[in-house]
Amino acid sequence: GAVVSQHPSRVICKSGTSVKIECRSLDFQATTMFWYRQFPKQSLMLMATSNEGSKATYEQGVEKDKFLINHASLTLSTLTVTSAHPEDSSFYICSAGAGVGSYNEQFFGPGTRLTVL
Amino acid sequence: AQSVTQPDIHITVSEGASLELRCNYSYGATPYLFWYVQSPGQGLQLLLKYFSGDTLVQGIKGFEAEFKRSQSSFNLRKPSVHWSDAAEYFCAVGPPGGGNKLTFGTGTQLKVEL
Repeated sequence: GAVVSQHPSRVICKSGTSVKIECRSLDFQATTMFWYRQFPKQSLMLMATSNEGSKATYEQGVEKDKFLINHASLTLSTLTVTSAHPEDSSFYICSAGAGVGSYNEQFFGPGTRLTVL
Repeated sequence: AQSVTQPDIHITVSEGASLELRCNYSYGATPYLFWYVQSPGQGLQLLLKYFSGDTLVQGIKGFEAEFKRSQSSFNLRKPSVHWSDAAEYFCAVGPPGGGNKLTFGTGTQLKVEL
């Protein structure tokens, strides 16, 4: 199946700093990438959807100025958490969509554990 | 608004025993239905999906799921559980006819006793 990687797998940062997380589709071109946030013992919450070369679409309640998403190519999307605070600590998962026609199957990355001190 | 309910937060079964994980959904029409598995610290892997047709769907790793329209359910089953099946399982729904946005349930943590 299609492979999606994320880097880094874990990151610890100080409050107030910015952190960039990369999501790459390794063996296919992803027209759409998705960013999710998962709190402990909870489900995945979609944060935003990004299409290559256009602005991301953010879900309600997600601050677009805090969670900057760039989808520079068909194989790379980045999520930058700006001015991170402890409440931003979470597990961030990306997925990449690939498909033809109406169905766009999502392939998930392994996730990035962010800890903000 | 659409929603997915997985009523069992934790389930423990003995290795070799059968398994059923429950999933109920609320949607305006019959959505696309999915089951994913997540191992600790890892992303999600698709086990199976239902779009239309035969209501009993076969997936990977010996899993199957049955869509029951009258009950708005899509329960996941496995006849004989292996210790390696211990993981978190998520049911998800997507817009009927395709589309991108998935709505996930809160997950069921499966523990397998040897």
